[in-house]
Amino acid sequence: DAKTTQPPSMDCAEGRAANLPCNHSTISGNEYVYWYRQIHSQGPQYIIHGLKNNETNEMASLIITEDRKSSTLILPHATLRDTAVYYCIVFNAGGTSYGKLTFGQGTILTVHP
Amino acid sequence: NAGVTQTPKFRVLKTGQSMTLLCAQDMNHEYMYWYRQDPGMGLRLIHYSVGEGTTAKGEVPDGYNVSRLKKQNFLLGLESAAPSQTSVYFCASGRGLSNQPQHFGDGTRLSIL
Repeated sequence: DAKTTQPPSMDCAEGRAANLPCNHSTISGNEYVYWYRQIHSQGPQYIIHGLKNNETNEMASLIITEDRKSSTLILPHATLRDTAVYYCIVFNAGGTSYGKLTFGQGTILTVHP
Repeated sequence: NAGVTQTPKFRVLKTGQSMTLLCAQDMNHEYMYWYRQDPGMGLRLIHYSVGEGTTAKGEVPDGYNVSRLKKQNFLLGLESAAPSQTSVYFCASGRGLSNQPQHFGDGTRLSIL
């Protein structure tokens, strides 16, 4: 699985958009980009995923660059409850990874009033 | 809509005691996983299962055993608990497909004294 690079921490004001970047320059063509978050040691929560097109759901938007080497998770109107560790993961269920998700260090997002 | 349910949520054991952690999912997923998370570290895969009656070793299987007698349940056993097994244990399930997310339980916090 390709490795990802994320900033260790970011701050965001409540009500503003939070834009979390992720670099995955070694991503291969069949690997998806997934985002999860973990709030205060709860179980990782799935947010969104994509292959090459931009995606949006009720929680967030995912913007993937055309060359797929980087992506940005956007929380459009951050709230205090969005304070968490955000993980960017590149994932391919096939090959030797047996569907294992590889979590890096993630980005600690702190939303402040 | 329960998703992935882990029991118990907390447990304290003495060194040498045994116990079983239960994971149950109601999404009819084929794949199930047991991870552990230690402070300052990402999730590490202990064992996984690709279907009822199957199990396989992950990255850190020593000291643990698993069973998948029913599709919806995945059990993690500690035969002789050691302080090094103090951790937070997460169960996850998925369809084993690149474009389908895994879903996690809320974790079991286990302390070995």
